[in-house]
Parts: sequence; structure tokens; C-alpha cells
Amino acid sequence: GENVEQHPSTLSVQEGDSAVIKCTYSDSASNYFPWYKQELGKGPQLIIDIRSNVGEKKDQRIAVTLNKTAKHFSLHITETQPEDSAVYFCAASIDDYKLSFGAGTTVTVRA
Amino acid sequence: NAGVTQTPKFRVLKTGQSMTLLCAQDMNHEYMYWYRQDPGMGLRLIHYSVGEGTTAKGEVPDGYNVSRLKKQNFLLGLESAAPSQTSVYFCATKEPNTEAFFGQGTRLTVV
Repeated sequence: GENVEQHPSTLSVQEGDSAVIKCTYSDSASNYFPWYKQELGKGPQLIIDIRSNVGEKKDQRIAVTLNKTAKHFSLHITETQPEDSAVYFCAASIDDYKLSFGAGTTVTVRA
Repeated sequence: NAGVTQTPKFRVLKTGQSMTLLCAQDMNHEYMYWYRQDPGMGLRLIHYSVGEGTTAKGEVPDGYNVSRLKKQNFLLGLESAAPSQTSVYFCATKEPNTEAFFGQGTRLTVV
């Protein structure tokens, strides 16, 4: 099955700086790559996603890039704010209905 | 519109006891999933369903059973709980080619 690796496991940034989280996947047939944010005591919530026919997607302060050749994709958060502190998960899917998740990155934004 | 509701939110079981976790959705989604979340391991798929009356094994199905007798409900059963099943359990639902929506989670401790 699909194997997704996520780095780093923890990330501490100063408010206003950028945060970057990287994921690699094993199956070249994967075609859907969502990112989820999980706040304390809550379920994960989709923040942005990208499909394999697109190289980059942006939504305000959040962007995702995809390199199909290298089989990796990244989440970029610019101008970080305290409310960006959370656990972030990347995922990959081959067949639309099953997602394989990375281990998660705990992001802490220091005021 | 409640979205995805998990019952119960917390539970403590003794080794060998049985219990059922209920996931209820009011979004009329076809696909439903049960994941477990453990520190450093992300979200791992236990079982899933692609429609009423259907179920399939995920990544870590051993020790669990599921049923989807009604489209809106997906039940996860533990017949004989073990300490290794201590975890946070998340239900999720989705439609084809759309994002997954997660419940708030059930924190289960097996002593």
C-alpha cells in the first residue's frame, strides 16, 4: 500500500515567519494530496488539497506544492499567527476513497 | 446540521470487555471510515465502507469489527478489548472526489 513520510515531527517558528512541512509518498499512482489541520481536542479538518495535474495551489497564507517526479509535496504557511499552532497531517490517495496519512507535524508559533 | 457525530466521547474499558463506537452522519455521504490515532503514527485506517451494507478492511483491522446497516451510521466494535487498543478513534465521511469530514474523536483507554 501507499506509504507517506512526513517531516519534521515538530516545528517551532516565530510569529510572522514561514513554516514548511514536507511529505514524500511511495506510490507513483497517487493522485490526490490533502493537508489537514488538527486543533487540540478536535478532529482533523481539511485546509488545502492538490491533485496530480497541478503543481502548486495557494489559498491566502497557505500554499501546497507537488513534485510528481520526486514524489514529494510540501505545505507552506506564510506570516504565521498564533492560531496556526496545531498538528498538521499530509495524506495521499490512489483511488479517491482511501487516504494514507503521514505521522503529523506539531507546529508551535511563538509570540 | 451536526455533520459527523461520534458516541461516546470518552470511555474506559477493562481488558476483555466489549464495546461499540457509533458514528452518525447527516451529510448523506456514501463513504465512511474508522481511523485510530496514536502518538507519532498519524491516522491509521481500521475499516471502511463505500456504501450501505458494505464494509472492507483497512490497514489495522485486527481486533475490530464494523457494520453499516444504515447509510448514516457506521459502528465499530471491539469484542475483547486489549491495552493495545488504547487510542483516539476518529470517524470520517466523504463523497467521491470531495474532502473527508471527521468527527470529534473518541478517547478510549483499556486498563
